Amino acid sequence: GIQVEQSPPDLILQEGANSTLRCNFSDSVNNLQWFHQNPWGQLINLFYIPSGTKQNGRLSATTVATERYSLLYISSSQTTDSGVYFCAVGRSGTASKLTFGTGTRLQVTL
Amino acid sequence: DGGITQSPKYLFRKEGQNVTLSCEQNLNHDAMYWYRQDPGQGLRLIYYSQIVNDFQKGDIAEGYSVSREKKESFPLTVTSAQKNPTAFYLCASSILAGGGGVHEQFFGPGTRLTVL
Repeated sequence: GIQVEQSPPDLILQEGANSTLRCNFSDSVNNLQWFHQNPWGQLINLFYIPSGTKQNGRLSATTVATERYSLLYISSSQTTDSGVYFCAVGRSGTASKLTFGTGTRLQVTL
Repeated sequence: DGGITQSPKYLFRKEGQNVTLSCEQNLNHDAMYWYRQDPGQGLRLIYYSQIVNDFQKGDIAEGYSVSREKKESFPLTVTSAQKNPTAFYLCASSILAGGGGVHEQFFGPGTRLTVL
């Protein structure tokens, strides 16, 4: 099956700093999603981005499908950005099943 | 309010007991999924269903069972055969595109199961 690797595994930032999270995947995909898991465990959808670039406020994401990676950018980080960020991928013909990476744990300090 | 609900939020089980976790969605989504998350790990797929009365095993189906009698509901039973059931369980749903296409998946709030 598809392998998904996320880096870095852990990241500590001071409030106001910018960061880039990376997701590499081992095969072609038709679905790529970024999630933020909050301290209560809820997975919050950030981006559905199988290719191209999207922006939502302080967050943006870029997927380069031909090179099998995606990047999540967080600008002007806030303490509420803390949590775990997951990348997940899926392929056509697989009933939208997602394969998850192991996540990047982000801590934003004052 | 549209969304995915899971109950209970916390569940404690004695060894040897079967327990059933509830998942309901009112998004009119075709497909539903169950994932398991262990501490510090990503999510792994247990079972999924694309249509009522049909479901398929995921990567870690041993010790679990499901049913899909209604489009809105996809309960998961953790049986006594599951060797290490303590985990966080998340249910998800999505639209199914024609031709096997993929669509965005949305998640419920999860159930934390602890075996005593």
